[in-house]
Amino acid sequence: DGGITQSPKYLFRKEGQNVTLSCEQNLNHDAMYWYRQDPGQGLRLIYYSQIVNDFQKGDIAEGYSVSREKKESFPLTVTSAQKNPTAFYLCASSTWAGGKNIQYFGAGTRLSVL
Amino acid sequence: DAKTTQPTSMDCAEGRAANLPCNHSTISGNEYVYWYRQIHSQGPQYIIHGLKNNETNEMASLIITEDRKSSTLILPHATLRDTAVYYCIVRVGSTGGFKTIFGAGTRLFVKA
Repeated sequence: DGGITQSPKYLFRKEGQNVTLSCEQNLNHDAMYWYRQDPGQGLRLIYYSQIVNDFQKGDIAEGYSVSREKKESFPLTVTSAQKNPTAFYLCASSTWAGGKNIQYFGAGTRLSVL
Repeated sequence: DAKTTQPTSMDCAEGRAANLPCNHSTISGNEYVYWYRQIHSQGPQYIIHGLKNNETNEMASLIITEDRKSSTLILPHATLRDTAVYYCIVRVGSTGGFKTIFGAGTRLFVKA
């Protein structure tokens, strides 16, 4: 089945630790995204990538880093500089086709601080 | 991308039509209206989109006013599984500008 796979589903971070969230897609989409969602809030864009080896900061990139070495993969690292990392993290991918830019989302990773 | 305004929450009886409004008064001529929904603790799911004509698919119908300043998502026969947060988004369809603004959305409660 085609789709977006995020792992792990739950992740715990200790103080001062970097953690990496995985996102893989087999939809052959060019664009990939990372969003953060806090309880009762909408989604906020962290980083996005339109093509391999290129990515752009979103609205809340501070304390996060990404890489896009392969079309299928867009991992997100939550660094120790992110002081409030507890949130639900969502990865998405999309392609432009016929005027549409539909984003397909993974099931999310819930990150908590120990 | 244009900003949208949606009610915070709505109720609907099971089996009845759910009509979810969205205002986007600053929409530009080349911006599409998209609707997504997010069931609790899951990733958002695409529902439907349109530019200026009304659209229908297996999940819902989208009615866009003639001046394009507002739209309504219609779930014709709501079920308990339609309880979710519904996001209305407007964005350019096929050029750059990959930023998509997901606001707080409308929390729809479908009641038995």
